[in-house]
Amino acid sequence: GQQLNQSPQSMFIQEGEDVSMNCTSSSIFNTWLWYKQDPGEGPVLLIALYKAGELTSNGRLTAQFGITRKDSFLNISASIPSDVGIYFCAGQPYSGAGSYQLTFGKGTKLSVIP
Amino acid sequence: NAGVTQTPKFQVLKTGQSMTLQCAQDMNHEYMSWYRQDPGMGLRLIHYSVGAGITDQGEVPNGYNVSRSTTEDFPLRLLSAAPSQTSVYFCASRDRVAKNIQYFGAGTRLSVL
Repeated sequence: GQQLNQSPQSMFIQEGEDVSMNCTSSSIFNTWLWYKQDPGEGPVLLIALYKAGELTSNGRLTAQFGITRKDSFLNISASIPSDVGIYFCAGQPYSGAGSYQLTFGKGTKLSVIP
Repeated sequence: NAGVTQTPKFQVLKTGQSMTLQCAQDMNHEYMSWYRQDPGMGLRLIHYSVGAGITDQGEVPNGYNVSRSTTEDFPLRLLSAAPSQTSVYFCASRDRVAKNIQYFGAGTRLSVL
């Protein structure tokens, strides 16, 4: 099946620092999604990307769809304590009509030190 | 707007017991799926459905059963619970015109003793 490598697995940063995480795939994706999961909750969508090279922002978050269609990154600027959680990337493999499966990375656990 | 609702939030079972995890969505989404989340493993797909009456297996289907008699509901059945099924279970739904955006429930935390 599809493989998504998400890195880093975990990060400890000081409040106010910028954060960067990324996902790479062994095959081409036509959609990249970034989710955040707060402790004890389900994942919530942060940003969706649909075109190679697309750069999209949501407040302090910025994500990009890699031009090779095999990678994506998420940046968080000026981190705050509520940024703590697990960040997941998810990709929709390129395929024909009727494709459905999303493949998820294993997550990046972010800890913010006040 | 309730979105995706999962019940129960917590459950403890003994080995060999059966139970059903409930999932309901009020967004009229065609696609629904079940995932399990284990430490260091991310989200793994158990079963999914592309519409009422249609289900298919995901990555880790063994020990689980599903059915989809209505658009709104997609229950997950554990036939004979095993300690390896201790996990957090998430239900998700998606509309086929929603450009791959999945909405997740809050999860069911299951312990099998």
